[in-house]
Amino acid sequence: GQQLNQSPQSMFIQEGEDVSMNCTSSSIFNTWLWYKQDPGEGPVLLIALYKAGELTSNGRLTAQFGITRKDSFLNISASIPSDVGIYFCAGTDYGGSQGNLIFGKGTKLSVKP
Amino acid sequence: DAGITQSPRHKVTETGTPVTLRCHQTENHRYMYWYRQDPGHGLRLIHYSYGVKDTDKGEVSDGYSVSRSKTEDFLLTLESATSSQTSVYFCAISESGGSSGVRAFFGQGTRLTVV
Repeated sequence: GQQLNQSPQSMFIQEGEDVSMNCTSSSIFNTWLWYKQDPGEGPVLLIALYKAGELTSNGRLTAQFGITRKDSFLNISASIPSDVGIYFCAGTDYGGSQGNLIFGKGTKLSVKP
Repeated sequence: DAGITQSPRHKVTETGTPVTLRCHQTENHRYMYWYRQDPGHGLRLIHYSYGVKDTDKGEVSDGYSVSRSKTEDFLLTLESATSSQTSVYFCAISESGGSSGVRAFFGQGTRLTVV
């Protein structure tokens, strides 16, 4: 089936650092969504992207819908301790079913020891 | 928070027994989804619904069935639970589908343990 490759799998952050993660697919997508999940909670929607090339911000978070429609990235600027958690990308395949919203395996953000 | 309620929140059941998880929404959204989350696998789509009595399979649908007799309720049934179905199950809702601007919002999850 359709797969999303999300990288990196994990990363450590120090307060104040910028963070970048990305997601790629093997086919063209018509939607890219970015979520954050805290332990014991459901994922929370951060940013939604619907057009190739679209760049959208939500506070210190910025995400872009890749021009090839096969990738997306999420940047976090000036990270703070509460940014720790798991970030997921998700999307819908352009040629697929309307309801087939699939997820990457996540990027785990932890604090540098 | 989006008006999504999952029940039960926790359940322990024995292998071979049937189990039904319920997702209830108050947003009148058309699309509803069931995902399972396991370490190393992220969120995997089990089934989704695009309207009353309209459902389709996701990536990991074997061993699961769903029903949607009302807009607000989406039920996930494990006909005969197995230990491999031990997982955290999430329900999500969206007003629109893939090409119309999907924005899925998640419930708090149900932790199911099959012993």
